[in-house]
Amino acid sequence: NAGVTQTPKFQVLKTGQSMTLQCAQDMNHEYMSWYRQDPGMGLRLIHYSVGAGITDQGEVPNGYNVSRSTTEDFPLRLLSAAPSQTSVYFCASSSQGGEDTGELFFGEGSRLTVL
Amino acid sequence: GEDVEQSLFLSVREGDSSVINCTYTDSSSTYLYWYKQEPGAGLQLLTYIFSNMDMKQDQRLTVLLNKKDKHLSLRIADTQTGDSAIYFCAESWGYGQNFVFGPGTRLSVLP
Repeated sequence: NAGVTQTPKFQVLKTGQSMTLQCAQDMNHEYMSWYRQDPGMGLRLIHYSVGAGITDQGEVPNGYNVSRSTTEDFPLRLLSAAPSQTSVYFCASSSQGGEDTGELFFGEGSRLTVL
Repeated sequence: GEDVEQSLFLSVREGDSSVINCTYTDSSSTYLYWYKQEPGAGLQLLTYIFSNMDMKQDQRLTVLLNKKDKHLSLRIADTQTGDSAIYFCAESWGYGQNFVFGPGTRLSVLP
């Protein structure tokens, strides 16, 4: 049972480079999201999606793009990396509605360093 | 806006009880959660409590909710070295995007 899978686990970029963090889930969850984790700041929501073709901004969306062409995949794109984007990124998913507790299921994280 | 606060660090001796505290601001929260993050890993749900409950017990874990003071606590009985991790408090008043996380409490268990 794979759950939420993120790739790559580690990445080093130079300022100005672009890259895509991949996220896939096999639980047929409608909701997917990206967070960044920085020391002492908890988790901050970057972008989220409530279904294929629907995305919206979270708390800290600047410098990031997302798309949701399928239920399973939700990639996060950094168009022009900046040192301020050095962080650990987590993808999370959940089902929406019903008797569910709304638990968020997290991937293992992607550690990004921008030099 | 919504805010969840926790102390950042807690150290306990192995075998003692640990109590991690959290305060939140949104009284319309439906669920309150405790997530555990081990080094180099993602967050995993440890336990949760529905907002109309005062207490929930699950083996070594006891969750207390004081809605009047908007205070949530997690007590870990007989704390073990394997409990060393970061513990995140979170509140939600719906699904997905309505989650708000605290900064996390780093629990260190000393032998």
